[in-house]
Amino acid sequence: GAGVSQSPSNKVTEKGKDVELRCDPISGHTALYWYRQSLGQGLEFLIYFQGNSAPDKSGLPSDRFSAERTGGSVSTLTIQRTQQEDSAVYLCASSPPQGIAGEETQYFGPGTRLLVL
Amino acid sequence: SQQGEEDPQALSIQEGENATMNCSYKTSINNLQWYRQNSGRGLVHLILIRSNEREKHSGRLRVTLDTSKKSSSLLITASRAADTASYFCADNMLTFGGGTRLMVKP
Repeated sequence: GAGVSQSPSNKVTEKGKDVELRCDPISGHTALYWYRQSLGQGLEFLIYFQGNSAPDKSGLPSDRFSAERTGGSVSTLTIQRTQQEDSAVYLCASSPPQGIAGEETQYFGPGTRLLVL
Repeated sequence: SQQGEEDPQALSIQEGENATMNCSYKTSINNLQWYRQNSGRGLVHLILIRSNEREKHSGRLRVTLDTSKKSSSLLITASRAADTASYFCADNMLTFGGGTRLMVKP
């Protein structure tokens, strides 16, 4: 079946501009995660949505970062007034409801490569 | 598809004991990473070991890598109740295994 999809796959923007990154999770998955990976670094957790609960925003690096999840499905990560240090690969992952898969396996999308000039 | 396979799937120990988790992978890697996940939370990156490294330490964590056996191990020494979580290994393509659920009893 269809996996997690993200768009755009690549984004080049100028410093100071806003960007929106989109994630379509696997149908039926209630949990959705955003991560970013800078060059040569491990994954950095950003934000986590679980069903209708309030999202865990503890990983967002600054108030320029925000994310929404509409209708419990598609999510948008917005970065306002982008800075060069925001350049990274932004990854989205989704997980099925616990009790069905029985484990917290995360299925990752291909990522969006963001370059801020 | 899963790249890493963690072993054991579940581990229960007493506080103060050491915990060892193993991971096997299928294809060639540039690096291997270990992550932890507390229940209901996102993944937290623990340590990255490159394919030309055999052992790496970070605090109470010790990771080994055997590329000839396509396996890695994560050792947590002097475990604490707060170490209770799921631990995952992932290759450089960020393909994760199912994880080891570690329970540390106080």
